[in-house]
Amino acid sequence: QVQLVQSGAEVKKPGASVKVSCKAAGFTFSTYSMHWVRQAPGQGLEWMGIINPGGASTSYTQKFQGRVTMTRDTSTSTVYMELSSLRSEDTAVYYCARARRLDSWGQGTLVTVSS
Amino acid sequence: QSALTQPASVSGSPGQTITISCTGTSSDVGGYNYVSWYQQYPGKAPKLMIYEVSNRPSGVSNRFSGSKSGNTASLTISGLQAEDEADYYCSSNTSSSTYVFGSGTKVTVL
Repeated sequence: QVQLVQSGAEVKKPGASVKVSCKAAGFTFSTYSMHWVRQAPGQGLEWMGIINPGGASTSYTQKFQGRVTMTRDTSTSTVYMELSSLRSEDTAVYYCARARRLDSWGQGTLVTVSS
Repeated sequence: QSALTQPASVSGSPGQTITISCTGTSSDVGGYNYVSWYQQYPGKAPKLMIYEVSNRPSGVSNRFSGSKSGNTASLTISGLQAEDEADYYCSSNTSSSTYVFGSGTKVTVL
């Protein structure tokens, strides 16, 4: 069955960067776009961006332009999201999700930004 | 890109039918048939309930249905059950080749 397994929780200081991974199994990874979505404590879902199946094309929401980088490694069926210049407002659970319709989701990775 | 507008909360008694609205613009909801709906329990990842306005993934109860008129999409839950108590989010792709989520609706079963 489709599985998306994300890396573990992270604690970072303001100004640092974080890189979250999402390892896929149970489907042909190279044929699916992958999204990243975040959810701050007690808040709603926020779409961050998408990387196309080949990894050559990405689209990010304007809010994160210049701070986020999404990449993928087909050899390990893993997609990555790196967020730089972290601030306290970036404290959230970060999710990866599969395909245009976001039909399968990872378990989420809590990123805490605190001095 | 502003979040799509959803009511903060909707409630109903078991067995009743409720509808959640999701209002956007002609640049997102009104311009495309790529509206999806997600159910989320506290502390859990979201689950896809409806895609492309009105399609149900395999395994999702037929008590859930979706529709769209103009710039507003709707999720209808019929025969409301206790297990339907959760947060619900809509999403749409946009004219900027991005996606946007709704503000979220908490469904309470009375």
